[in-house]
Amino acid sequence: KAGVTQTPRYLIKTRGQQVTLSCSPISGHRSVSWYQQTPGQGLQFLFEYFSETQRNKGNFPGRFSGRQFSNSRSEMNVSTLELGDSALYLCASGLFGASQETQYFGPGTRLLVL
Amino acid sequence: QQQVKQSPQSLIVQKGGISIINCAYENTAFDYFPWYQQFPGKGPALLIAIRPDVSEKKEGRFTISFNKSAKQFSLHIMDSQPGDSATYFCAAKGWEAAGNKLTFGGGTRVLVKP
Repeated sequence: KAGVTQTPRYLIKTRGQQVTLSCSPISGHRSVSWYQQTPGQGLQFLFEYFSETQRNKGNFPGRFSGRQFSNSRSEMNVSTLELGDSALYLCASGLFGASQETQYFGPGTRLLVL
Repeated sequence: QQQVKQSPQSLIVQKGGISIINCAYENTAFDYFPWYQQFPGKGPALLIAIRPDVSEKKEGRFTISFNKSAKQFSLHIMDSQPGDSATYFCAAKGWEAAGNKLTFGGGTRVLVKP
């Protein structure tokens, strides 16, 4: 099985711009979660989507949004970029259910905001 | 609020030695505790995981010890190898109804010297 794929892998934007990141989960996985990783704050949960519905949301401003499509692919969008948004954005996919705990991470998209 | 505290932030161990990383959590609703390994430029990869009804789980050279009453768990890497040099994250997940949100510890950078 192919792993979680994320595009693009690297991105440079300037303050005030917006950005859209894409994640394709492992085939058969319907849950997609997004995380932000920075040296200062570590790994922080952004949101989770399951069957096109946001199931959980982290403590991030409304500039951060996401969606999931019927094929389980997910996108996250950050509007009005700030310097502090520079980070590695990770997507994780998994199955749903108490016995299906494992989540698999993609390689991430490294975003640099200038 | 940091719900999962991880220590140490970094450690250096000689090849063949034992690496020990500790985590403590506060939320008693957590019921799944995975450990992830991350190499530079890669996304986190699941290493081993445990549920609270088990006090210890071993997979190869990796062992998780879990103390439910103390709300602590730890990762032991036996016979550490240079290839184990990476950043390790403990994490915790709540009940199934809470979705797949993972709360991560701050990470431990492990360097294994040959």
